[in-house]
Order: sequence, then C-alpha cells, then structure tokens
Amino acid sequence: DAGVIQSPRHEVTEMGQEVTLRCKPISGHNSLFWYRQTMMRGLELLIYFNNNVPIDDSGMPEDRFSAKMPNASFSTLKIQPSEPRDSAVYFCASGAAQYFGPGTRLTVL
Amino acid sequence: GENVEQHPSTLSVQEGDSAVIKCTYSDSASNYFPWYKQELGKRPQLIIDIRSNVGEKKDQRIAVTLNKTAKHFSLHITETQPEDSAVYFCAAMDFGNEKLTFGTGTRLTIIP
Repeated sequence: DAGVIQSPRHEVTEMGQEVTLRCKPISGHNSLFWYRQTMMRGLELLIYFNNNVPIDDSGMPEDRFSAKMPNASFSTLKIQPSEPRDSAVYFCASGAAQYFGPGTRLTVL
Repeated sequence: GENVEQHPSTLSVQEGDSAVIKCTYSDSASNYFPWYKQELGKRPQLIIDIRSNVGEKKDQRIAVTLNKTAKHFSLHITETQPEDSAVYFCAAMDFGNEKLTFGTGTRLTIIP
C-alpha cells in the first residue's frame, strides 16, 4: 500500500496564478480531509469528504479556494487566484484515523 | 464547535527522563483522542489514540490517559530518546462527524 499520495510536493507560483493540488487517498478509505499548516495558524481543516461528498467546508478560507472529489481515488484543491498569504504546506489525509500524505509545500510569490 | 488547548507549547527534557504533554477539550460529545508526531519537514503521523470508554492506553514507552469528567487527556513518554524530538499534536473528535480538532502543538526537544 503506497499510502496517501500528493502531488506536486513543491509548488512555486506567482500571485494571481491558479494552483491545483492533487491527492490520492488510501484505497478503501471513505473519508478524505484537506488541511493547511502554517507557523502562525497551525493545522487547519479546510474541507472533508465522505464517500466523495463534501461534508464540511467551513474551513475553506474564501471563495478563491475550491475542492472536488470526482471519485473515490482522487481529489483536488484549487486556489484561483493565488495570493502570497496562501503560502503554506497543504496536507491531504484519508480514513477515520486520518493518515496524512507527505504534503505539498506551496509558495506564492 | 470543539476547542482543544494544548500545553506546554515547548518542552525540553534530558534524555532518559519523562515528558508529559496535556490537552483539554470542550465538547463532551468528543469520544476519540489521537496523538500525532510531526518531525521537521514531514507529515503528522498517528502514534497512539484512545477512545472515551478507556481511561489509559500504553504502547511501549508511550502512554495516553483520559479523564472524561475533567475533559482532559495527556501523553506520557518515558525513557526519552533523541529521536523523540518532534512536534506533538493532540486532537479530539466525535466519531459521528469524523472532524478532528487539533491542539496547537508541543515542540519537544530531547537534550542528549
């Protein structure tokens, strides 16, 4: 089992550009979570899905953020347009016990 | 919603001594309390968890205790080793909604 897979691992982009982060959860897990981690705010839950359906998106900072889960093996988190304050590590986690992926380090210049 | 407080924010311990990290939670419906270890530049990893029907759980040098009445739970690491140096996060969840609320983390440094 490869665990949770995230891509890209690092992303550097310029302000105003669209950013798409990808996640492949562990096969058989029904739930998927997107987190953002910064020094200032710690670990924040952005959104989570159960059986591909968004259950709670109250942590999504603003309309520039959107997330989809078209099937049980794939999810995306999109930021459009990106801003420097979006710079953070974004983690995807799957399963009730929340196994974390390796994260995507996003830098917005 | 749930609110989890974690103390201390930093902790330095001599190698071989014990370390204790404490958390409190606010929602009495919470019934699952995991602990995560995050090494520098890596992902949080689940190291131990406890459910509300249990007061204590132990796994080698790591133990977690839960006091539901007082709404607090603690992580105990005995015989600390340099590889225990990391940031530790507590969390609380109501299994009914699967939404974890994390504490703010404790940076543990083991002094050789």
